[in-house]
Amino acid sequence: NAGVMQNPRHLVRRRGQEARLRCSPMKGHSHVYWYRQLPEEGLKFMVYLQKENIIDESGMPKERFSAEFPKEGPSILRIQQVVRGDSAAYFCASSPGEGSASGGYTFGSGTRLTVV
Amino acid sequence: AQSVSQHNHHVILSEAASLELGCNYSYGGTVNLFWYVQYPGQHLQLLLKYFSGDPLVKGIKGFEAEFIKSKFSFNLRKPSVQWSDTAEYFCAVNVGGSYIPTFGRGTSLIVHP
Repeated sequence: NAGVMQNPRHLVRRRGQEARLRCSPMKGHSHVYWYRQLPEEGLKFMVYLQKENIIDESGMPKERFSAEFPKEGPSILRIQQVVRGDSAAYFCASSPGEGSASGGYTFGSGTRLTVV
Repeated sequence: AQSVSQHNHHVILSEAASLELGCNYSYGGTVNLFWYVQYPGQHLQLLLKYFSGDPLVKGIKGFEAEFIKSKFSFNLRKPSVQWSDTAEYFCAVNVGGSYIPTFGRGTSLIVHP
């Protein structure tokens, strides 16, 4: 029973490059959430998606960041023209239904992005 | 907007000591409450959750939490910690009707053997 799969586990990018982070939700889950964790800080919500729809992107930076969850395949968090401040751990979570009514969220192991 | 406060950012204990980690939230309506644990280098795992009913919730690994509505609190407790409890602990709150949990900053717990 595979959980939430995130890849890559570690990603190193030079400033100005693009970073693509992938998240495959748990089997049977159709709701995906992306969070960013900075050192000494908690998890900050970025975006909530269902298949082919962005439900809430209130936590996404206005520029350079985008997310998608296509009908087929994993959810992708894309960061264009990365800067050093983008270095963080990015976690994906999934749930079978809408939020807490479905009993909680299952998290992936995260992608640790380092911008050099 | 709701917020979640974890006032203890770093806690250091010896094995067998008792643990209580504070969590307060700022919302007066219906809430769902969670505690997650993150062991070094790993993903978040659900320790316990409260949706309704008995305000004293039992979780995995001997943890429990008590929801006190009048104090807007959901403190995590364990009577006797072990070295393996060394981890980061996050409190999270779902406001009724919201799909998205808000996380506290986290508390780093170090347990000395």
